Amino acid sequence: GAVVSQHPSWVICKSGTSVKIECRSLDFQATTMFWYRQFPKQSLMLMATSNEGSKATYEQGVEKDKFLINHASLTLSTLTVTSAHPEDSSFYICSARLAGANNEQFFGPGTRLTVL
Amino acid sequence: SQKIEQNSEALNIQEGKTATLTCNYTNYSPAYLQWYRQDPGRGPVFLLLIRENEKEKRKERLKVTFDTTLKQSLFHITASQPADSATYLCALLINQAGTALIFGKGTTLSVSS
Repeated sequence: GAVVSQHPSWVICKSGTSVKIECRSLDFQATTMFWYRQFPKQSLMLMATSNEGSKATYEQGVEKDKFLINHASLTLSTLTVTSAHPEDSSFYICSARLAGANNEQFFGPGTRLTVL
Repeated sequence: SQKIEQNSEALNIQEGKTATLTCNYTNYSPAYLQWYRQDPGRGPVFLLLIRENEKEKRKERLKVTFDTTLKQSLFHITASQPADSATYLCALLINQAGTALIFGKGTTLSVSS
């Protein structure tokens, strides 16, 4: 089946630094990838939709200058959390959409970000 | 406002019984409804998809129903096993153009032996 990887799986950083998270579709091409954030015991909340070769579409309330998304190829999207603060600590999950009848999405394993 | 609700945060059942999880939504007209399994510290794993014109879908010990009049989906696991213990999420796909999924908070199922 389709596999999506994320790197790193966890990261701890100091407040004010920037952190980059990679999302890769390993065995298929994904024109669309999605970035979600999940706080403990909460649902996955969509942050942005990333389309290859164009600007990401951000959900209401998500700062595009703080969460930079780059989707430079059909197999890679990156999320950079700039000037991270403790309230940005969360579980970040990407998914990649497999074009077809069901538009099925495959999720990465997630990245646990802790900002000290 | 638009909402997705899963009936309870936690459900505890005995091994061998049928687990039934509920997903209700308001103010959406979803094209699809999907169910995912999520283990602690992991991303969701796709289980089943059911379209708006389908009433029921089965896969091995899993069964999903979809009632667009009641705006409700039921997710059943028959002959449950301790390995089925996880959080189960329902998600709506609002249109077929590729809009991302809208997730419920999930129900954490614990199956005891």
